[in-house]
Amino acid sequence: QQQVKQSPQSLIVQKGGIPIINCAYENTAFDYFPWYQQFPGKGPALLIAIRPDVSEKKEGRFTISFNKSAKQFSLHIMDSQPGDSATYFCAVTTTGGSEKLVFGKGTKLTVNP
Amino acid sequence: DTGVSQNPRHKITKRGQNVTFRCDPISEHNRLYWYRQTLGQGPEFLTYFQNEAQLEKSRLLSDRFSAERPKGSFSTLEIQRTEQGDSAMYLCASSQTTEAFFGQGTRLTVV
Repeated sequence: QQQVKQSPQSLIVQKGGIPIINCAYENTAFDYFPWYQQFPGKGPALLIAIRPDVSEKKEGRFTISFNKSAKQFSLHIMDSQPGDSATYFCAVTTTGGSEKLVFGKGTKLTVNP
Repeated sequence: DTGVSQNPRHKITKRGQNVTFRCDPISEHNRLYWYRQTLGQGPEFLTYFQNEAQLEKSRLLSDRFSAERPKGSFSTLEIQRTEQGDSAMYLCASSQTTEAFFGQGTRLTVV
């Protein structure tokens, strides 16, 4: 059973567009929701994360929107650039224990010039 | 650079051979994780150490896999009698709080 469902699987936007990637989870015990960016042949890099006590968090061009009642969260990339072309993963975890991350299947983003 | 370091970056081995990977976490991080990532998928949790204690193992970690973290510093992941299905990227991550930072990974190819 997939604990976190991520969509879409792939996304193509033009430079300056605002790609949106969505994730949904079932377990209400999850209380930490990070997004990772991964370039080919590299490890995932932490982009931004949110906890359920806030509905939105912005860091630079990246914004997480969080809907606790719907058990959904999404990543928005403002003014997207070709250098943002990568695979993005959402993840979930429950803090206080091992805090192991459960990842979505990823979204391959292509930003065309 | 004080990020998570993994060696080797690439490993090609014949089926049935043993392989060992090393991870050097960020120095002040007491938590260390191993994950496995296959093509087109997100990383999957394998095992977790807090300092030198291995506190959690996934069912994905068969008897052929063993991990150690002597003295709570670097960690090794050994795969015995490798199989073609072991071909994947093996990722190490470390954390001090909740934020986990990943290394570049070791790409294993079993031929």
